[in-house]
Amino acid sequence: KQEVTQIPAALSVPEGENLVLNCSFTDSAIYNLQWFRQDPGKGLTSLLLIQSSQREQTSGRLNASLDKSSGRSTLYIAASQPGDSATYLCAVTGGNKLVFGAGTILRVKS
Amino acid sequence: DTAVSQTPKYLVTQMGNDKSIKCEQNLGHDTMYWYKQDSKKFLKIMFSYNNKELIINETVPNRFSPKSPDKAHLNLHINSLELGDSAVYFCASSPPDSIYGYTFGSGTRLTVV
Repeated sequence: KQEVTQIPAALSVPEGENLVLNCSFTDSAIYNLQWFRQDPGKGLTSLLLIQSSQREQTSGRLNASLDKSSGRSTLYIAASQPGDSATYLCAVTGGNKLVFGAGTILRVKS
Repeated sequence: DTAVSQTPKYLVTQMGNDKSIKCEQNLGHDTMYWYKQDSKKFLKIMFSYNNKELIINETVPNRFSPKSPDKAHLNLHINSLELGDSAVYFCASSPPDSIYGYTFGSGTRLTVV
């Protein structure tokens, strides 16, 4: 059974800092990995999708890496801004479903 | 332009009532899902339909019954609502083999009183 763990559970940083969110999964037989952002009381916004054959994806200040063999992914956020404050969710696809981690609550202080 | 739309956005109802949540996607995806986000914000799959056929049922009580009239729609009907059913329910869709990932609706916040 696939399990996804995200560390840290919560993170508070000053504006401008670079930061890394971590995600690990127990079963390396995944199809892809997706990072989402969820603002309070809102839906899920897809940030980055990494296919199992890929090592990383970049979008603006975001960079996500995938090491399938070790069951790990990281989401790197450069030059963080208060608008980046949200919950970040990591999810892996396998067995016809998306399995989520519990998320990292990020707060960027101005 | 909304890719995955759910209605209603908010639903407050009394215990014992029956309610439905509707979901529609205009992405042409073959597969649709219902996810539940509990009070601890953890998201867990409930059902998955592929071309109107049920392919995943994750040990959800029989009071929950999904219905897919066509591959663009997946509705969720809940009978005899209980306090513990209070949560946010998300609909999602994906193309074949989830190549391009999942797209989620904005969620339905269900409160049972």
